[in-house]
Amino acid sequence: IAGITQAPTSQILAAGRRMTLRCTQDMRHNAMYWYRQDLGLGLRLIHYSNTAGTTGKGEVPDGYSVSRANTDDFPLTLASAVPSQTSVYFCASSDSYSGADGYTFGSGTRLTVV
Amino acid sequence: GQNIDQPTEMTATEGAIVQINCTYQTSGFNGLFWYQQHAGEAPTFLSYNVLDGLEEKGRFSSFLSRSKGYSYLLLKELQMKDSASYLCAVRDRLDKLSFGAGTTVTVRA
Repeated sequence: IAGITQAPTSQILAAGRRMTLRCTQDMRHNAMYWYRQDLGLGLRLIHYSNTAGTTGKGEVPDGYSVSRANTDDFPLTLASAVPSQTSVYFCASSDSYSGADGYTFGSGTRLTVV
Repeated sequence: GQNIDQPTEMTATEGAIVQINCTYQTSGFNGLFWYQQHAGEAPTFLSYNVLDGLEEKGRFSSFLSRSKGYSYLLLKELQMKDSASYLCAVRDRLDKLSFGAGTTVTVRA
């Protein structure tokens, strides 16, 4: 089934630990995105990639890094987790030339930093 | 950047109509989207407007006025399954989406 797969589904992480959230899509979309969703704040863009080999910073990039070695994968790394990074993380992708389709979202990763 | 405002909560009765308003300020407008998100799930695409006017898709319609920076999502013949959060999102010329905080709609029997 075409779509986006995120892993893990949920995770409890000790503060100070390193963590990589995985995201893989099989739709051959050019662009991929990482958002975090917090109650009352909505979805906020962390990092994005318009095409393989390029990345850019979104609205809330501090404490996070990404890479885009190929079209399908877009991992998000927390180098040293802090409690304020407790959130639900959504990966999304888009075919930037399709206009009306918007983004396709993964099912999310619920991360708790303690 | 984008500044997107929508009401926090709305309540309506099954079978009724609800209109969710969204106002935005943007430095480069390239389309407006509405997404539906049920609790604990991912957002799913509902509608897209890039030109002024009304787009109708079954029980859902979305309206856009670019000059006023205004959109609304109209949900007709409400069903219990329509209880969800509805997200207004504006796309910029770099194809990035900025989201409002979402409107939680509760449908009561």
